[in-house]
Amino acid sequence: AQKVTQAQTEISVVEKEDVTLDCVYETRDTTYYLFWYKQPPSGELVFLIRRNSFDEQNEISGRYSWNFQKSTSSFNFTITASQVVDSAVYFCGRTSGSRLTFGEGTQLTVNP
Amino acid sequence: NAGVMQNPRHLVRRRGQEARLRCSPMKGHSHVYWYRQLPEEGLKFMVYLQKENIIDESGMPKERFSAEFPKEGPSILRIQQVVRGDSAAYFCASSQGVYNSPLHFGNGTRLTVT
Repeated sequence: AQKVTQAQTEISVVEKEDVTLDCVYETRDTTYYLFWYKQPPSGELVFLIRRNSFDEQNEISGRYSWNFQKSTSSFNFTITASQVVDSAVYFCGRTSGSRLTFGEGTQLTVNP
Repeated sequence: NAGVMQNPRHLVRRRGQEARLRCSPMKGHSHVYWYRQLPEEGLKFMVYLQKENIIDESGMPKERFSAEFPKEGPSILRIQQVVRGDSAAYFCASSQGVYNSPLHFGNGTRLTVT
């Protein structure tokens, strides 16, 4: 199976620190999409970003930024100046056709 | 602008009973996906459906689980003769069906089997 690996099970930081969540994926497809979702303590899944495999430009959205490196099959997510409200489980995912496969998630805890 | 609606939000069943989980996709979406999240685990794909068709059920357990998405009405995930190991959060997602379009998730149904 083509896996998505989030090596960091849990990360704990202090507010205002920057934090990077790693994501490495396997794929045999030439065309695919990469995603990040956030699952706050309330349990819902919040879509954060989708990235096409042909677009390796990094993206920034406010305090969030994503670094896509096709050569290393990585799609890392950085939160700058973290806040307590960022505390959540973050899932990285990769599509293969119509199916979206997720990593196991990274539990981020931001302490005040 | 209703998102993906799942109900019930919480469902408690005794061992051996049936559980029915409902999912209404976002307006304009004709593709539905079901995922399961066991306690302290990630999201696992179960099944992908279009209206009246099961496209990919490779993630569904072979027994007791079934899913449908009729022409009219919500998608239903049905679990017969539930066991304690079925306790999990079940998430439904929908998409427009355009290749690799984003999946929009509902808030999930938390099934507890006692």
